[in-house]
Amino acid sequence: AQSVSQHNHHVILSEAASLELGCNYSYGGTVNLFWYVQYPGQHLQLLLKYFSGDPLVKGIKGFEAEFIKSKFSFNLRKPSVQWSDTAEYFCAVSGMDSSYKLIFGSGTRLLVRP
Amino acid sequence: GAGVSQTPSNKVTEKGKYVELRCDPISGHTALYWYRQSLGQGPEFLIYFQGTGAADDSGLPNDRFFAVRPEGSVSTLKIQRTERGDSAVYLCASSLTPTSGGINIQYFGAGTRLSVL
Repeated sequence: AQSVSQHNHHVILSEAASLELGCNYSYGGTVNLFWYVQYPGQHLQLLLKYFSGDPLVKGIKGFEAEFIKSKFSFNLRKPSVQWSDTAEYFCAVSGMDSSYKLIFGSGTRLLVRP
Repeated sequence: GAGVSQTPSNKVTEKGKYVELRCDPISGHTALYWYRQSLGQGPEFLIYFQGTGAADDSGLPNDRFFAVRPEGSVSTLKIQRTERGDSAVYLCASSLTPTSGGINIQYFGAGTRLSVL
């Protein structure tokens, strides 16, 4: 079955710490990959996406993610987090044959302490 | 409008009642999607419209759920005989027409929080 697994449900970091959030997916076929972020009280926003090409993608606010096809992973990273990065982060996948259907992980709540 | 608009933002109803949730997509977006997000979970796909027609409604949990998009813009998600298990945040998203290469970026609204008592 198609699924997305986010290993960490809650992460607490101090400002300036490095961040890596894990995402693994199960999907037969070529995929598109996404990270969405939901800041407190706000709607889901696209952080970054991978469709094809360079497996290292850069998004907004200094975030990046690396697609490792052999590991079915798309981990999110940021070298130095800020208090304003406190949010919930969702990894999502869609298939090339059904690009309209996003399959989301259960999310990771990140708390950054000032 | 500038973004996807959903109304109401909160809806409290009693078990057995009928509810309608509205979504107004980004102007010019032909594709519209409904997702449901239960507590502690990520959004789950419900239905996808391309224009006025439902291209994929495989995510609707049962026949109490129905959605329409009669003029290819605003969509309404309708839930009959609501149950406590229907309590969730219902999200709407819109996008340009998904391309044959699979490129599709969905923009989400703030959601409607439905509480069934």
